[in-house]
Formats: sequence, structure tokens, C-alpha cells
Amino acid sequence: EAQVTQNPRYLITVTGKKLTVTCSQNMNHEYMSWYRQDPGLGLRQIYYSMNVEVTDKGDVPEGYKVSRKEKRNFPLILESPSPNQTSLYFCASIVQGVGTGTEAFFGQGTRLTVV
Amino acid sequence: QKEVEQDPGPLSVPEGAIVSLNCTYSNSAFQYFMWYRQYSRKGPELLMYTYSSGNKEDGRFTAQVDKSSKYISLFIRDSQPSDSATYLCAFNQGGKLIFGQGTELSVKP
Repeated sequence: EAQVTQNPRYLITVTGKKLTVTCSQNMNHEYMSWYRQDPGLGLRQIYYSMNVEVTDKGDVPEGYKVSRKEKRNFPLILESPSPNQTSLYFCASIVQGVGTGTEAFFGQGTRLTVV
Repeated sequence: QKEVEQDPGPLSVPEGAIVSLNCTYSNSAFQYFMWYRQYSRKGPELLMYTYSSGNKEDGRFTAQVDKSSKYISLFIRDSQPSDSATYLCAFNQGGKLIFGQGTELSVKP
């Protein structure tokens, strides 16, 4: 079954304590992305990766890091979380079809609270 | 001006109603027009896509695009309680996906 798996689903942490949210996909997609979803703001792209060892900033990259050492995994790292990073995070594995547009397969989401 | 504008709702309708969800956009370079559906506590899933002006039907759902007015719509006929979800419009520009804010829909039995 095609899947994007994120962990953890829920996380409460304190300001400044480094954390990593893992993301793994089994569809062999080259393109992966991280989004945060906030009320009234919709889904905003944090970082994306078009291939192994290739990552780029999205619209809201401040305070986040990513790495892409292998095709299936794309972890999101918050080195010093702050309360304004409290949000719902989604990892997506994306396929760009010819004539069919771009389809994103999303993980279940990670609800992060920074206190 | 925001690149994409979508009425956040919430929108509440009785079962069987026709629902109209709308987005406006400002970027003429958008190539594909999509609708994603997001159930509570889940990630969004692609519902429909189209790349040209006009209508595209899929069962009870119709996606409509008007490129000249930079306006897209999703119509749901004979709405069901199972249609209760947040609907997000999405646009593709060179592989980058740009989402609307999402409209929360509730269909009451």
C-alpha cells in the first residue's frame, strides 16, 4: 500500500529542546516536501527536496532544517523550537505526471505544541 | 494581494444540498487546478484536478475553471454527511503546489 508515514503524531515539547519529525515514503518518489497548517493560513511550504542530497527553502523555512540522505526519508528538524512553531505539520511525497499535474500524497500529520 | 483566496467558512448545509466552493487566484502562470479534501485528523487527499477552462465531472463532483476571471469552483451535488471535510483548492506552478486556506464544510443529516 502506498504510504507516507510520519512520526510522532503528537508531540509536546519545551522551548529550545531539539526535536526531529520523521517522514518516510514507499512510492519511490523523488520529490518530497514539508508543510505546516495553521488556521486561516492554510498549508504553507517549509522545505522541499527534488532528489537525494537536494533541498530548497519553501515559503516559511526559518527555524527549520531538513536532510535528504536517502530517497525514502525526509526528516524535519527543529533545532531550537519556539512557541510560534506550534502547528500541524504534514510531510508529502509528490509525483509530477505528464498531463496530469502534480499530486501530493500526505502523511497523517504531526501535531506539535511548543510550550 | 494574496496569490490564492479561499473563503474559510465554515459552511453548513443540509443533506442533499448543492454545495459551491470557490477560490480566486492572481497568478496567470498556474498550470493545473486541483481540489484536495481533508477529513478531520487526516492529511489532505487529491479529489480532482483539471488544467483547462471549463467543467470536469466525477460522480457528484464538478470542478469548474474560468482562467479569464482567475476563478475556480468545486460543486458537490446531493451532498452527503460523508462529504463533511475541509476542501482546499491547489495550484501548480512549475511543480510547486500552492494551497488555498481551505473551506470547512459540514453536511447535516
